[in-house]
Amino acid sequence: EVQLVESGGGLVQPGGSLRLSCAASGFTFSSYEMNWVRQAPGKGLEWVSYISSSGSTIYYADSVKGRFTISRDNAKNSLYLQMNSLRAEDTAVYYCARDPPAAAGYFDYWGQGTLVTVSS
Amino acid sequence: AIRITQSPSSLSASTGDRVTITCRASQGISSYLAWYQQKPGKAPKLLIYAASTLQSGVPSRFSGSGSGTDFTLTISCLQSEDFATYYCQQYYSYPLTTFGPGTKVDIK
Repeated sequence: EVQLVESGGGLVQPGGSLRLSCAASGFTFSSYEMNWVRQAPGKGLEWVSYISSSGSTIYYADSVKGRFTISRDNAKNSLYLQMNSLRAEDTAVYYCARDPPAAAGYFDYWGQGTLVTVSS
Repeated sequence: AIRITQSPSSLSASTGDRVTITCRASQGISSYLAWYQQKPGKAPKLLIYAASTLQSGVPSRFSGSGSGTDFTLTISCLQSEDFATYYCQQYYSYPLTTFGPGTKVDIK
């Protein structure tokens, strides 16, 4: 069974940092592109970042470019999101999401999400 | 960036109703469109991809159609478990993808 489990969320002050993790199981993690998608409270879905299966290709939404860093450790079946210079508008539930085979572009499995709150 | 709009933003319906949600892209995206269902406090669930292909395990009362800029999600006979928010997603500009603002379907 495919499982994605996020962790690392919490309360952080503006300007602070946080590192999210996503533990994958039930599939060959190293073969899949992965993404982070976020959802502000009461709002819609916003794609945040993409990483290729090898980690060699990375993209970011303009809203987080230069502040967030996506990475992965295929040996540990884990995806990460390092978030720096956090702002109030980064407050959201952060989901990791899997691209199905052949880098399709939509997301067939999602984690349960981890809440990040940026507030003083 | 490709912009996605959805209509209506919300609708009220009864069990057994036929429901149609529309998604429109700011430019042609061929059939690179997916639909998701999200219930409160839960992660989105993939329903349809490639505009009209039903994800495995999704009930056949869900269907999708369209190509280019205009797309629809239809629920042929609304069930109690279908009350949720529905999002479309374009992945034509993959991996730079965008979601629609969502359509909330609630009980009349």
